Amino acid sequence: DAKTTQPNSMESNEEEPVHLPCNHSTISGTDYIHWYRQLPSQGPEYVIHGLTSNVNNRMASLAIAEDRKSSTLILHRATLRDAAVYYCILSRETSGSRLTFGEGTQLTVNP
Amino acid sequence: KAGVTQTPRYLIKTRGQQVTLSCSPISGHRSVSWYQQTPGQGLQFLFEYFSETQRNKGNFPGRFSGRQFSNSRSEMNVSTLELGDSALYLCASSYPTQPKETQYFGPGTRLLVL
Repeated sequence: DAKTTQPNSMESNEEEPVHLPCNHSTISGTDYIHWYRQLPSQGPEYVIHGLTSNVNNRMASLAIAEDRKSSTLILHRATLRDAAVYYCILSRETSGSRLTFGEGTQLTVNP
Repeated sequence: KAGVTQTPRYLIKTRGQQVTLSCSPISGHRSVSWYQQTPGQGLQFLFEYFSETQRNKGNFPGRFSGRQFSNSRSEMNVSTLELGDSALYLCASSYPTQPKETQYFGPGTRLLVL
């Protein structure tokens, strides 16, 4: 699976937008970009995914660069409950349901 | 709809013993994957089962095995436990089995090997 690079940690203030970056320069044309997050003492939770176009859902937005070598997860208004480790993951059809997790970004939200 | 359930939630074993962990996927989900999470190695893929067949396997020794039943429930077994097997074991279910589909994770089973 292609590798992703994320900052180890980021901080944000409550009710402010948060932009979490992810680099994936070796992405292939069939790789989907997934974001999951893991809150303390819980299993990972799906956030959003996309292939080429920007995506929005009730939790977040995903902005994908035109060359697909990077993407950004956008939390529009961070809350204390958004404090978690955020994982950017690439997956392709040949890998089945397998997800290859990196170290992720630890997001701290300050009140 | 009920989420993914895992039993037991906590377990203490001693070296050399074996352990069986259980995972019940979301109703209708046919794929179940298992992951190990440790502070040192992070989240690592163990294996995936679909329709009672192992479809994918991670880089773990043969002491780690699993199976899936006709109702999609899955079990994983670790034999001859080692101290390094202490970890959070997570299972995830999905349907259908394409990678673009959401994986739903359970709360995990925390295993401590003494």
